[in-house]
Amino acid sequence: NAGVTQTPKFRVLKTGQSMTLLCAQDMNHEYMYWYRQDPGMGLRLIHYSVGEGTTAKGEVPDGYNVSRLKKQNFLLGLESAAPSQTSVYFCASKGDGGAWQFFGPGTRLTVL
Amino acid sequence: KNQVEQSPQSLIILEGKNCTLQCNYTVSPFSNLRWYKQDTGRGPVSLTIMTFSENTKSNGRYTATLDADTKQSSLHITASQLSDSASYICVVILSGGYQKVTFGIGTKLQVIP
Repeated sequence: NAGVTQTPKFRVLKTGQSMTLLCAQDMNHEYMYWYRQDPGMGLRLIHYSVGEGTTAKGEVPDGYNVSRLKKQNFLLGLESAAPSQTSVYFCASKGDGGAWQFFGPGTRLTVL
Repeated sequence: KNQVEQSPQSLIILEGKNCTLQCNYTVSPFSNLRWYKQDTGRGPVSLTIMTFSENTKSNGRYTATLDADTKQSSLHITASQLSDSASYICVVILSGGYQKVTFGIGTKLQVIP
């Protein structure tokens, strides 16, 4: 099993550009999450999904959109990137009834 | 003010020595508390999970303790190894699900030979 994978690993955008980050998991997990990690701050939840076709806002959802069309994939979109969105983005998944949350390796995004 | 505070911010210890990391939290109602290890450039990996009714949980050389009355947790690392060099993050999950989660900033541990 690959676990949780994220693409791309690195990306540099210009202000106003758009992009989509892909998270994929092969553990048949129901729950998937997108976090951002910034220096001097704990991870913060952006959006999450409790199952295929469902999404919900987390702590810092502004400027981001998500979709969960397939159970194994959770996409995070930036429609018009801003420098404040420069961060490391982590995806995570968890099985229904499971206690452990599994994280992907992260995507480092820089917005100039 | 972060509702999950960890100390120290950073720590350097010699290989083979023990160390203890602290986590104080103010968030409530509390469901469970977790400790994660995050290697540089990698995603966090779960070490321990404790519900409010548990006092201690071990995972190899890692032992976590919880005092729900004082809202304090600690992570004790025994016989440290170079591979223990990482950030250790305390996470509090509130009642109501994983979307109600507060992460600490982490303690950066460096183990030197």
